[in-house]
Amino acid sequence: AQKITQTQPGMFVQEKEAVTLDCTYDTSDPSYGLFWYKQPSSGEMIFLIYQGSYDQQNATEGRYSLNFQKARKSANLVISASQLGDSAMYFCAMSSLWNRDDKIIFGKGTRLHILP
Amino acid sequence: DAMVIQNPRYQVTQFGKPVTLSCSQTLNHNVMYWYQQKSSQAPKLLFHYYDKDFNNEADTPDNFQSRRPNTSFCFLDIRSPGLGDAAMYLCATSSGQATSYNEQFFGPGTRLTVL
Repeated sequence: AQKITQTQPGMFVQEKEAVTLDCTYDTSDPSYGLFWYKQPSSGEMIFLIYQGSYDQQNATEGRYSLNFQKARKSANLVISASQLGDSAMYFCAMSSLWNRDDKIIFGKGTRLHILP
Repeated sequence: DAMVIQNPRYQVTQFGKPVTLSCSQTLNHNVMYWYQQKSSQAPKLLFHYYDKDFNNEADTPDNFQSRRPNTSFCFLDIRSPGLGDAAMYLCATSSGQATSYNEQFFGPGTRLTVL
């Protein structure tokens, strides 16, 4: 069975600082994908970044990067130069690859507050 | 723009009065999902369709039903809403191509209030 663990229920970070959101996972699948989603107070789930288990390099998307450490089973999200608009709930998620149903499981989330 | 649309964005119903939430997509995706999300919790998958094949999660109450009349539309029916069913309901889609990377695309959600 797959499991995602996010140990930080909430975080407060000063604007313009970098922030790391922790995510660890457990799976017996040989191939899997890891996602991060952002959910503002409006409720919409916004896809941020993806890392495949077979990817040699860490994924980056603008100010977002994923610190993927396969041996440790961790997939931390790093946001550089945080902005007030980054205040939101952040979910780490996982899926099995090569599965047509594309079901994903979510962690419990981390609520990020950016302070001016 | 191709997208996932949910109507209405806010829905108020009375205890025990059936309610239907709708989702449509212009992505032509094979898979459509319905999630329930309560405050400060992760989304919980209720069920999903792969094309016309319905897949129910084991712990989804019978009170929740779904219909997918065609590729573009999917409905969530709550037959007798209880106070505990008040939540955000998220619809999502994915291509279902069984490739190495299939992101789920989410709609804006419908926030259901039960009085």
